[in-house]
Amino acid sequence: DIQMTQSPSTLSASVGDRVTITCRASQSITRWLAWYQQKPGKAPKLLIHKTSSLQSGVPSRFSGSGSGTEFTLTISSLQPDDSAAYYCQHYDSYPYTFGQGTKLEIK
Amino acid sequence: EVQLVETGGNLIQPGGSLRLSCAASGFTVSTSYMSWVRQAPGKGLEWVSAIYSGGSTYYTDSVKGRFTISRDNSKNTLYLQMNSLRADDTAVYYCTGGGGLGPFDPWGQGTLVTVSS
Repeated sequence: DIQMTQSPSTLSASVGDRVTITCRASQSITRWLAWYQQKPGKAPKLLIHKTSSLQSGVPSRFSGSGSGTEFTLTISSLQPDDSAAYYCQHYDSYPYTFGQGTKLEIK
Repeated sequence: EVQLVETGGNLIQPGGSLRLSCAASGFTVSTSYMSWVRQAPGKGLEWVSAIYSGGSTYYTDSVKGRFTISRDNSKNTLYLQMNSLRADDTAVYYCTGGGGLGPFDPWGQGTLVTVSS
């Protein structure tokens, strides 16, 4: 199975900050990577697919990059509504696996 | 508007069975890849099972032989039959579109399954 490792596990930042979350795969997944945002008590929401394609309706301050085994999610200017958990997930081959999550808090 | 609504979650004793349902609207289950993803309390996300439009099914190792994914095209509904339930199956179960060579989208609101004596 492909293991996905996110860092950091928790992150505290201020409104307006640029924030980066990293996701590493245990083997190459080319660009078959998605990012999700999950708020407490809610279902996850797809933000980005195929590494860098922004899902419809997602603010442009979110962006993704990477290839192979290393990927990043960047929020260019943090907003209060961005307080949530973020998960990466590969869809290269079954079983599709998720990173352990990054909890983002607003200072 | 696309909507997935899960039902069937409950408190069940170890060894018991439960069937989850996911009713879709604005979305055609029969022509879509569909999946179940679960989240144990306070934990991360875990893909459980997928069914392709052609009917092929896939499972994570920990549920193989115990869980069965299926769909009823006439009712536009996805199911997850869960047998021989264990305490570590306790989780919120989400129905999602996708999971077949693509990301998971859309998502239902989830239904809680608690396995405990």
